Amino acid sequence: KNQVEQSPQSLIILEGKNCTLQCNYTVSPFSNLRWYKQDTGRGPVSLTIMTFSENTKSNGRYTATLDADTKQSSLHITASQLSDSASYICVVSVGYGNKLVFGAGTILRVKS
Amino acid sequence: DAGVIQSPRHEVTEMGQEVTLRCKPISGHNSLFWYRQTMMRGLELLIYFNNNVPIDDSGMPEDRFSAKMPNASFSTLKIQPSEPRDSAVYFCASSLALGTGIGTGELFFGEGSRLTVL
Repeated sequence: KNQVEQSPQSLIILEGKNCTLQCNYTVSPFSNLRWYKQDTGRGPVSLTIMTFSENTKSNGRYTATLDADTKQSSLHITASQLSDSASYICVVSVGYGNKLVFGAGTILRVKS
Repeated sequence: DAGVIQSPRHEVTEMGQEVTLRCKPISGHNSLFWYRQTMMRGLELLIYFNNNVPIDDSGMPEDRFSAKMPNASFSTLKIQPSEPRDSAVYFCASSLALGTGIGTGELFFGEGSRLTVL
């Protein structure tokens, strides 16, 4: 069964600190992995998309890594800001179609 | 550039009423998706269209739900009759499918329509 699991479920950190969110998947065949940021009351916004051959991809203070062998991905946030408070959703694309498998998300709260 | 535009942003209705949600995808995108998000189940794909043609509607909960895409710039999701368990945020998203509709490019979501059925 295609599944995407994220951890932790929620996280509270102090402004300025770094944090890492985890994503494990059992999806076959794998096409690509995406991270989305969803602010409260808004739609998800894409942060990164990584294919099988990409290990790392950065978007400003966000850096995603992918280990296709262990089927794990992480999203590292550097020097967190209050505006980073949001839900972060890991999504894996299956095969060559339009099927996406969504994780439940990690709720991040950055405190001042 | 305008993103994906959804309306209404909020809808409160009574059980049994018909609900119509609307979506205008990003111009030039050829794939359109309808998702439902709840606290319990997260984001679930209801249906997606490629070049205005419904490709996969296996996520549509039941016959009370229907979706149409009469042209490349407009889609509707209709619930008739609505029930309290349909209360959720409904998202429309669009993308430019890679190649001949195979593979999904970057997905752009609208701001969602929050539906409350009393």
